[in-house]
Amino acid sequence: ETGVTQTPRHLVMGMTNKKSLKCEQHLGHNAMYWYKQSAKKPLELMFVYNFKEQTENNSVPSRFSPECPNSSHLFLHLHTLQPEDSALYLCASSQDGTGGYNEQFFGPGTRLTVL
Amino acid sequence: AQSVTQPDIHITVSEGASLELRCNYSYGATPYLFWYVQSPGQGLQLLLKYFSGDTLVQGIKGFEAEFKRSQSSFNLRKPSVHWSDAAEYFCAVGDSNYQLIWGAGTKLIIKP
Repeated sequence: ETGVTQTPRHLVMGMTNKKSLKCEQHLGHNAMYWYKQSAKKPLELMFVYNFKEQTENNSVPSRFSPECPNSSHLFLHLHTLQPEDSALYLCASSQDGTGGYNEQFFGPGTRLTVL
Repeated sequence: AQSVTQPDIHITVSEGASLELRCNYSYGATPYLFWYVQSPGQGLQLLLKYFSGDTLVQGIKGFEAEFKRSQSSFNLRKPSVHWSDAAEYFCAVGDSNYQLIWGAGTKLIIKP
């Protein structure tokens, strides 16, 4: 595997389910990001982890819970989601946590549908 | 507040024609500016970035962008588009927390 991988690529869940999104980067980077991409809206930064420490949490509802066990893996745990949470969830990595300065490398995303 | 505006939701151009995608930003200090491209079913890829120096920046895939401070713009250009350029293009500016503020994107459609 190369670059940034995300699993699953598609996920359909009910509002009472619990699921997790997984991201893995094979680039030796130290920072990882979760973004939410909704149609016709700017990307929304959700969380940033730098050297496994969370450095950004942009007022994300607690029904989204990130986990970063090491610099190569990032999870997004989902529970009791709402239909408006349906979106493409993108994971990215960069050399450090300054994504507004250093190039970010993105995975293909997980298309989430909440019924 | 810092913001990025991409005025065109979608643009259609003929294959072989020239392209210009518009981007305007609002940021008080000297901006770090980026263009990313998202091809269908794929993640975003960096095309080019501007930090300082020459205001005309060359990127990958034959793209270039020009920073115009007086107009708060960072428009993306390509002299001759190919069908493989069909994608969505995102402009972004680095904020004071070293994170990106994104535009809403412009979808590029190529006519054969």
